[in-house]
Amino acid sequence: QQQVKQSPQSLIVQKGGIPIINCAYENTAFDYFPWYQQFPGKGPALLIAIRPDVSEKKEGRFTISFNKSAKQFSLHIMDSQPGDSATYFCAAGPRDTGNQFYFGTGTSLTVIP
Amino acid sequence: SAVISQKPSRDICQRGTSLTIQCQVDSQVTMMFWYRQQPGQSLTLIATANQGSEATYESGFVIDKFPISRPNLTFSTLTVSNMSPEDSSIYLCSVGTEDYEQYFGPGTRLTVT
Repeated sequence: QQQVKQSPQSLIVQKGGIPIINCAYENTAFDYFPWYQQFPGKGPALLIAIRPDVSEKKEGRFTISFNKSAKQFSLHIMDSQPGDSATYFCAAGPRDTGNQFYFGTGTSLTVIP
Repeated sequence: SAVISQKPSRDICQRGTSLTIQCQVDSQVTMMFWYRQQPGQSLTLIATANQGSEATYESGFVIDKFPISRPNLTFSTLTVSNMSPEDSSIYLCSVGTEDYEQYFGPGTRLTVT
């Protein structure tokens, strides 16, 4: 059973657009929600993370929105650039298991110049 | 954050042989993990590498196939034993921090012929 469901599978936007990637989870014990960015041939890089005590977190052009009641969270990329073209993974996990995360299936983002 | 290196970065191996992948971190960490990422797919946790004790394996992964060592707080190895083409994948080590952040190494790309 997929612990974290991610959509869409792929996304194409024009430069300057705002791609949105959505994730949903079922386990109410999850209380840490990171997003990772992965370029081809590289390991995933931690982009931004949120905890359920806040509904939104911004870091630069990246924003996480979190809806605890709906058990959903999403990544928004403001003013997207061709360099943002990568695969994005959401993850979730309970902090008391010591960083054991469950990953979404990934979204391949292409930003067209 | 932590700087993580993996060796080898890639390898092509014959069916039935074994490969040991090394993971080195630039600082002492409590939590180390090994993941598998099949081409174009998400990340699947293989096991948690415990320092001074046997690794904790996820469902579907067994010690005889994926023996793990963790001799100290900065180093771990994963061996892929008796390889078959189905083991062709990217193997990633990661480390967890006390802030529940998780950082990944660059990965080892394994091809089994």
